[in-house]
Amino acid sequence: QVQLQESGPGLVKPSETLSLTCTVSGGSISGYYWSWIRQPPGKGLEWIGYFYYRGTTTYNPSLKSRVTISVDTSKNQFSLNLSSMTAADTAVYYCARMDTSGWLQTWGQGTLVTVSS
Amino acid sequence: DIQMTQSPSSLSASVGDRVTITCRASQGISNYLAWFQQKPGKAPKSLIYLASSLQSGVPSKFSGSGSGTDFTLTISGLQPEDFATYFCQQYDTYPLTFGGGTKVEIK
Repeated sequence: QVQLQESGPGLVKPSETLSLTCTVSGGSISGYYWSWIRQPPGKGLEWIGYFYYRGTTTYNPSLKSRVTISVDTSKNQFSLNLSSMTAADTAVYYCARMDTSGWLQTWGQGTLVTVSS
Repeated sequence: DIQMTQSPSSLSASVGDRVTITCRASQGISNYLAWFQQKPGKAPKSLIYLASSLQSGVPSKFSGSGSGTDFTLTISGLQPEDFATYFCQQYDTYPLTFGGGTKVEIK
């Protein structure tokens, strides 16, 4: 059974770039779509974007100018880079495996990222 | 973006009760709707996909229905492990969007 685990810094300074990694275990990263989602404290979920292992990406227009999602098939990992961080980007960040239709079928447990100087 | 309005935002129920949660889409999404269960500090767990298909390994006390704009998740015979937050996700149109969540608490 595939499992996902997010890792990265818990604290980021304003204007810096957030880099998070999702490690996939129990299955191959090839052949699937991989997504990032976030949830600010006390607020709803926001989909950030996805990367298909063959190189296709789709991002939420609300974040598109600041987001890059990439995949490292050799490590069975995929990553999120979010630039120009502000306090509004403070959130729990989740990674997920997505099927071809867009159903986010398997999620990681999430990691809290706080933006503060 | 498609707005997903979920109701109620919270409810109190007793063990053994049947509860129903609703998600309404701001435009038709066919049957491209999923339901999830979330517990604090845990990964969200997929329960239902394509509005009414039960995810493998999920007990049959969970059921989903609806198409177009109106969808429901029903939990029959609530057990202590079912007290959690439930949310919906539409995947008809990008960007993917979510309902605001329903917290099911013990009465």
